[in-house]
Amino acid sequence: QSVVTQPPSASGTPGQRITISCSGSSSNIGRDNVNWYQQVPGTAPKLLIYTNNQRPSGVPDRFSGSKSGTSASLAISGLQSEDEADYYCAVWDGSLNGWVFGGGTKLTVL
Amino acid sequence: QVQLQQSGPGLVKPSQTLSLTCAISGDSVSSKSAAWNWIRQSPSRGLEWLGRTYYRSKWYNDYAPSVKSRITINPDTSKNQFSLQLKSVTPEDTAVYYCAKSGGWIEGDWGQGTLVTVSS
Repeated sequence: QSVVTQPPSASGTPGQRITISCSGSSSNIGRDNVNWYQQVPGTAPKLLIYTNNQRPSGVPDRFSGSKSGTSASLAISGLQSEDEADYYCAVWDGSLNGWVFGGGTKLTVL
Repeated sequence: QVQLQQSGPGLVKPSQTLSLTCAISGDSVSSKSAAWNWIRQSPSRGLEWLGRTYYRSKWYNDYAPSVKSRITINPDTSKNQFSLQLKSVTPEDTAVYYCAKSGGWIEGDWGQGTLVTVSS
């Protein structure tokens, strides 16, 4: 059981805006930055958002991140079929002295 | 652009030691601003960070509590690579293993992944 919690699934229709939550505690999200990864099955995770709300070069601005207290969110606007993937949050945990990942959210584009 | 190339066996017998290597190009294992991580992924455990090695005037390691008694991550400066050894494996250790670079975050540079199956 992960120390940071995500909903196991999310869905939306093309063009819609969806959000995926990531809930943690004072030892992780409450004290450090959250990062988000997108993973298409069979491939390595791809960095989507770093330091809560920064996009690496090449990531569309349809993807955005935010953090408040011990929770964080990933928002995807203008949903596209190619966004169908698994999404993971990750954060450093000061109590465990290591990186922790959320359990992942499978996004389905209907 | 950093590239990470993994190598190692895909099948390990129970109770034996899993060994993988990650060769780095485009950066240095001795970089004072990076850490070099091993992460695994399985359907039952999801993405699980195993540990890291990094150099800050001397070498440091951090390991996940779940594997701390069984894991060793070593740098090899002569070959610019780092390795993972996981002792006394069981079928629960069957997973895709990734190496990855981190700075302030686990970056976009991951190895290609190695499926390691623990089976007799």
